[in-house]
Amino acid sequence: AQTVTQSQPEMSVQEAETVTLSCTYDTSESDYYLFWYKQPPSRQMILVIRQEAYKQQNATENRFSVNFQKAAKSFSLKISDSQLGDAAMYFCAYRSFTGTASKLTFGTGTRLQVTL
Amino acid sequence: NAGVTQTPKFRILKIGQSMTLQCAQDMNHNYMYWYRQDPGMGLKLIYYSVGAGITDKGEVPNGYNVSRSTTEDFPLRLELAAPSQTSVYFCASSSPGQGRAPLHFGNGTRLTVT
Repeated sequence: AQTVTQSQPEMSVQEAETVTLSCTYDTSESDYYLFWYKQPPSRQMILVIRQEAYKQQNATENRFSVNFQKAAKSFSLKISDSQLGDAAMYFCAYRSFTGTASKLTFGTGTRLQVTL
Repeated sequence: NAGVTQTPKFRILKIGQSMTLQCAQDMNHNYMYWYRQDPGMGLKLIYYSVGAGITDKGEVPNGYNVSRSTTEDFPLRLELAAPSQTSVYFCASSSPGQGRAPLHFGNGTRLTVT
């Protein structure tokens, strides 16, 4: 079974600065997908960014980018020019490429605080 | 666009009571999921379904049941509620997409069992 580990329960960043959230995972599969989801206080789960394991190029979405190291099984999220609205819980998630239902396995989350 | 709709938003149950959490999606997604999120934790999979009439257990299925009679609806039934079932419950759906398709989540149901 796959596992996802987020070793930083909490992180803090100043507005306009850059922060990196860590995620490692364990799998024996060679093809899979990785996601970062944001959960603000409203409880809504919002997709931030997605990475296909077969792609070497790191995914980017505006101020959000990932550092995907397949051999190290590492998938960190970098938030540039942090904004107050970035304050939330961030969850890393793993999804199999094949198999029925393609279930998502989540890490325990990192709470990000953004300060003035 | 409604997306994934969960009802109710909040509920308080007494120990031993039963209830059904409703989930409906209007995106014609085959895959649907129920997750629970305990305080300060990630989401754990309770049950999932790959289509009408097909359901399977996830990581933490004990104390729950599901049914999938239509593509749109995937209700979660709690029988004999226990304090350990106090949690926030999320329903999600996705198209098959070989894993690439993201999950679309409902806004969650906060359940308290006292």
